[in-house]
Amino acid sequence: GENVEQHPSTLSVQEGDSAVIKCTYSDSASNYFPWYKQELGKGPQLIIDIRSNVGEKKDQRIAVTLNKTAKHFSLHITETQPEDSAVYFCAAITGGFKTIFGAGTRLFVKA
Amino acid sequence: NAGVTQTPKFQVLKTGQSMTLQCAQDMNHEYMSWYRQDPGMGLRLIHYSVGAGITDQGEVPNGYNVSRSTTEDFPLRLLSAAPSQTSVYFCASRQGAWTEAFFGQGTRLTVV
Repeated sequence: GENVEQHPSTLSVQEGDSAVIKCTYSDSASNYFPWYKQELGKGPQLIIDIRSNVGEKKDQRIAVTLNKTAKHFSLHITETQPEDSAVYFCAAITGGFKTIFGAGTRLFVKA
Repeated sequence: NAGVTQTPKFQVLKTGQSMTLQCAQDMNHEYMSWYRQDPGMGLRLIHYSVGAGITDQGEVPNGYNVSRSTTEDFPLRLLSAAPSQTSVYFCASRQGAWTEAFFGQGTRLTVV
């Protein structure tokens, strides 16, 4: 069946460094790719998303890139801060309601 | 604006007991869904609804029932709790199929 692979499962960076999380999806019909941030004890919150007709999108320190040919999309966080520490989930959505989430990446930003 | 509200936040059940997890949203979203979150497995879809009176199964529906009598509410019922249903449950709503999902705070359920 369809799946989304997310790597790495854990990522530790020094404050000010960049962090990159990568996802690969299997369903070529997927056309919407959101990224969610989940802080401890809370529900996931959308931080950025990208649609299949766009290759890159940026919002301040956060950017997402999409390679539809390779079925890869990545989250880039620059100038990381301690408050960026959280679990990040990628997701791929196919027509209708089918949303497949990656397993999550736990990001630690060391001050 | 409350967004998506889930109750209770924590629950302990004995095997075989039944209960209902409540979810309400005040954004007039048509799409609502229930996920369970287990360590290392991300979020898995249990059931979803695309409008009042319409529900369908997701990836892991066994042992759960849902109904959608109003746009605002989407309760999840555990028919006979099993230890395998120990998890954190999230309700989410969205305006359309390819839009942002808004999640509730979650319900941590333990079945002993």
